[in-house]
Amino acid sequence: AQSVTQLGSHVSVSEGALVLLRCNYSSSVPPYLFWYVQYPNQGLQLLLKYTTGATLVKGINGFEAEFKKSETSFHLTKPSAHMSDAAEYFCAVSHPWSNRDDKIIFGKGTRLHILP
Amino acid sequence: DAGITQSPRHKVTETGTPVTLRCHQTENHRYMYWYRQDPGHGLRLIHYSYGVKDTDKGEVSDGYSVSRSKTEDFLLTLESATSSQTSVYFCAISSQGYNEQYFGPGTRLTVT
Repeated sequence: AQSVTQLGSHVSVSEGALVLLRCNYSSSVPPYLFWYVQYPNQGLQLLLKYTTGATLVKGINGFEAEFKKSETSFHLTKPSAHMSDAAEYFCAVSHPWSNRDDKIIFGKGTRLHILP
Repeated sequence: DAGITQSPRHKVTETGTPVTLRCHQTENHRYMYWYRQDPGHGLRLIHYSYGVKDTDKGEVSDGYSVSRSKTEDFLLTLESATSSQTSVYFCAISSQGYNEQYFGPGTRLTVT
């Protein structure tokens, strides 16, 4: 079965510290992978995506993620947290070369708290 | 930003009444999706459409129906609203089913 697991429903980091949000997926075919961010009372916004090629993907607001096939992971990082990064983050996977290529599977989300 | 609007943005309704939520896009994308978001459950897919008059069920489709008579509009109907359908509803669009989705601002529905 295709799925996405985000480790930790809540993560707290100090302002200026490294942000690491973990995402693991299961897939029997090469996946597309996505990270989204949701600020309070807003819809989800695409942060970055991996399709093919370079495994380190850079996104908006200083975030990046690395696709590691051997670990089936796509963790999101940012070197230095800002207060404005406080939000909920969703990892997602899709499967363009399967017979279920008509939707994206979302993880349950990780709420990021930034401590002053 | 992708051109997606949802209406209404907020609605309070009584149990047993019908409710229709509208999603409108200006991107001419083929795929449209309806999700609900509830604390502890993340995003759950209700129904989606892969073309005009082409729809399919998601994981939580009971109690909901959809229609898509034009590329730009995707309607979600609660035939007889229940308190368990109190939620925030998001519409999303995509050019291909496996590509990134772009989300609308959401509709907060309260069923009393």
